Amino acid sequence: ETGVTQSPTHLIKTRGQQVTLRCSSQSGHNTVSWYQQALGQGPQFIFQYYREEENGRGNFPPRFSGLQFPNYSSELNVNALELDDSALYLCASSLFGNTEAFFGQGTRLTVV
Amino acid sequence: GENVEQHPSTLSVQEGDSAVIKCTYSDSASNYFPWYKQELGKRPQLIIDIRSNVGEKKDQRIAVTLNKTAKHFSLHITETQPEDSAVYFCAAIPPFYGGSQGNLIFGKGTKLSVKP
Repeated sequence: ETGVTQSPTHLIKTRGQQVTLRCSSQSGHNTVSWYQQALGQGPQFIFQYYREEENGRGNFPPRFSGLQFPNYSSELNVNALELDDSALYLCASSLFGNTEAFFGQGTRLTVV
Repeated sequence: GENVEQHPSTLSVQEGDSAVIKCTYSDSASNYFPWYKQELGKRPQLIIDIRSNVGEKKDQRIAVTLNKTAKHFSLHITETQPEDSAVYFCAAIPPFYGGSQGNLIFGKGTKLSVKP
């Protein structure tokens, strides 16, 4: 098991609402990346945080935003939820400059 | 940007047989190629990886090969066991541009079923 933990594990939200997902990185890691995994697909990169700043972003709209805290944990915020936002959200922790990334167990978000 | 294609999408083998999953990538400057195993409802687990300066890497029953000229890499599992049944994802990391660390670009996955 990795030391990457995510909360909550499951979440049901209504279209138009806002959601915050949380990730604690593995000890010794300073970089957190967020991915969206739709059913039957590979994970898609949302963005990465390093030194409390966004350090790269995939093809996701601005209503997907994030934060990183001094202890390297991170949050993913999604505003104005849409049905298509239903997916497994994964965070991956790594050491900046080292390519090995380890995933948390994910948060299953369902938008109804 | 980088694009990763993965084949086949499903693979069924008998226990004890070998399984091979192939991936191609588009950015010749990509330099790191991990493989992840994801069991139903669980997190992707890094099972093996290879860097662009190496042609082959083995870890017990698992091996990965890389052909930089053809821009493809493959996962080989020998003596398959029922517990190898899972979805396998290949990925590539494009080079470090403009201060941004490369992020993982995943293939669409291969569902491997090992029949006892």
